Amino acid sequence: DADVTQTPRNRITKTGKRIMLECSQTKGHDRMYWYRQDPGLGLRLIYYSFDVKDINKGEISDGYSVSRQAQAKFSLSLESAIPNQTALYFCATSDSGQGISNQPQHFGDGTRLSIL
Amino acid sequence: KNEVEQSPQNLTAQEGEFITINCSYSVGISALHWLQQHPGGGIVSLFMLSSGKKKHGRLIATINIQEKHSSLHITASHPRDSAVYICAVGKLSGGGADGLTFGKGTHLIIQP
Repeated sequence: DADVTQTPRNRITKTGKRIMLECSQTKGHDRMYWYRQDPGLGLRLIYYSFDVKDINKGEISDGYSVSRQAQAKFSLSLESAIPNQTALYFCATSDSGQGISNQPQHFGDGTRLSIL
Repeated sequence: KNEVEQSPQNLTAQEGEFITINCSYSVGISALHWLQQHPGGGIVSLFMLSSGKKKHGRLIATINIQEKHSSLHITASHPRDSAVYICAVGKLSGGGADGLTFGKGTHLIIQP
């Protein structure tokens, strides 16, 4: 089984719908992240969490919300999906260390989301 | 201007060739990461480094902190090395709380 599991792997939905992307991990890492990847733009940070009680906005949090239900679970929600949120979404985890950037990140396989 | 720039954007080479991918950044960093993304989309961390050089198999990563530049080298390239290689940095600002900032990636194709 994968260490970082994202569900669903693919989703097509309509504008205005509420969407939830789920991420679970078996690595025992404290830190979890949500990124989106767009062609030609690279990955960008949406939200990150250092533990269950610590949620932080990233570079592009508008239109998104997250929930850290447990150390192992971090969900990303699109409250009212719009077409420019069509992208490839990645969840990642890392172990605690001196600053979140100092540890390797472990990525899920991604969720391909299309908003029509 | 992007804070992390990679070159080239695309690279096609013959099997066996020595490959170099470059990454330049314009911010203070705590660490630099090299990642590999295969056509299926999955992303794997190859290296994390803050100084000097690291080697894993046929892959070598170097970083020059003074010049704000890193290179990823692949020796004896093979078609299975075909992938997108992504450079990312952890910025010093915010005490490391800014997460990773990514380059746009280098699309590498190794032809048999």
